[in-house]
Amino acid sequence: LAKTTQPISMDSYEGQEVNITCSHNNIATNDYITWYQQFPSQGPRFIIQGYKTKVTNEVASLFIPADRKSSTLSLPRVSLSDTAVYYCLVGENQGNLIFGKGTKLSVKP
Amino acid sequence: DSGVTQTPKHLITATGQRVTLRCSPRSGDLSVYWYQQSLDQGLQFLIHYYNGEERAKGNILERFSAQQFPDLHSELNLSSLELGDSALYFCASRANGGTEAFFGQGTRLTVV
Repeated sequence: LAKTTQPISMDSYEGQEVNITCSHNNIATNDYITWYQQFPSQGPRFIIQGYKTKVTNEVASLFIPADRKSSTLSLPRVSLSDTAVYYCLVGENQGNLIFGKGTKLSVKP
Repeated sequence: DSGVTQTPKHLITATGQRVTLRCSPRSGDLSVYWYQQSLDQGLQFLIHYYNGEERAKGNILERFSAQQFPDLHSELNLSSLELGDSALYFCASRANGGTEAFFGQGTRLTVV
């Protein structure tokens, strides 16, 4: 499984765009990049998944460069309720789900 | 509601005891994953079952075991409990080749 590296924490203010980058230098051809969000004492929740280029849904965008060795989760106009831990996972969809330490995002008023 | 049900929600037990945590996956999901999350820690992968068979093991102690039954529900058995086993235990399910894994609300285990 490809190892991922993310910042341990990030701070932002309400209304700003937040970009969280994840490095995955050893990503394999069959691997997808998936992001999850976790609030305290709750199970993680799927945010977005991509393979290459850009993916957008109603919650976030995911940017993946051509070499796929990194990815950036973009959260537009964050609010206080976006304060959470964000996890980047790399792997096959039928494989294991290995979570790293994640990025703790704190959104301030 | 993710569709994944974990019981019980809370469990308090004494050191040395044995407990069983139960997970009912979303209807039709063949994969079940178990995780341990201690206070302010990340999610530690314990074990993955697929259609009744063990697919992969993570950092699961020998005192812990799991199984997935023919109806696809899964149980995580924790024995000879220690204070350090106190944690939130999550299970997740995913459809075969599915994009998204769905997590239950967790079982909070407190060992006293």
